[in-house]
Amino acid sequence: AQSVAQPEDQVNVAEGNPLTVKCTYSVSGNPYLFWYVQYPNRGLQFLLKYITGDNLVKGSYGFEAEFNKSQTSFHLKKPSALVSDSALYFCAVRENSGYSTLTFGKGTMLLVSP
Amino acid sequence: GAGVSQSPSNKVTEKGKDVELRCDPISGHTALYWYRQSLGQGLEFLIYFQGNSAPDKSGLPSDRFSAERTGGSVSTLTIQRTQQEDSAVYLCASSFFFSTGGYEQYFGPGTRLTVT
Repeated sequence: AQSVAQPEDQVNVAEGNPLTVKCTYSVSGNPYLFWYVQYPNRGLQFLLKYITGDNLVKGSYGFEAEFNKSQTSFHLKKPSALVSDSALYFCAVRENSGYSTLTFGKGTMLLVSP
Repeated sequence: GAGVSQSPSNKVTEKGKDVELRCDPISGHTALYWYRQSLGQGLEFLIYFQGNSAPDKSGLPSDRFSAERTGGSVSTLTIQRTQQEDSAVYLCASSFFFSTGGYEQYFGPGTRLTVT
């Protein structure tokens, strides 16, 4: 079985400071990893994904994530947070072979204060 | 191009009534997914379609829930004899091929269902 853990229900950061939203995963084989963002009363928007290759993945809105196989982590990062980054962030995983659906974490609320 | 669309955006129904939720995927996407998002919860997978077939129905919470997809495009999620615990936001997503490749899913805005 595959699973995702987002250990923080909420992350608070001041505007201009770096932010990190944590994600760890568990799959039987190799993973495909995704980050999505959800703004209030909106659907989920795709931010970035790791499929293969470079462990550092860059995505939309200046976000990036680092795949760490030994720690089974895929933390989302941004060097300088904006108030407009405040939203609910979801990490998701699926195994990269055979049949499996995406499994989502429970989400982390990011609050960026002015 | 157009994204995933869902209708209605909001639905209020009385307990015991049936409801139908509709999803129009992105043109060309062969895979379609339904999820449920309850307050304070993550995304709960319900069902997915590859073309018109639903290989995995394991996420449907009860036999009151069913879904179909016609013409490899529009999908309808039906909830019969609605209960208050069915109140949630129902999200639809679509993507290119399912079982191969790391294709991301694109989500619709959701249907907020309230059962009174």
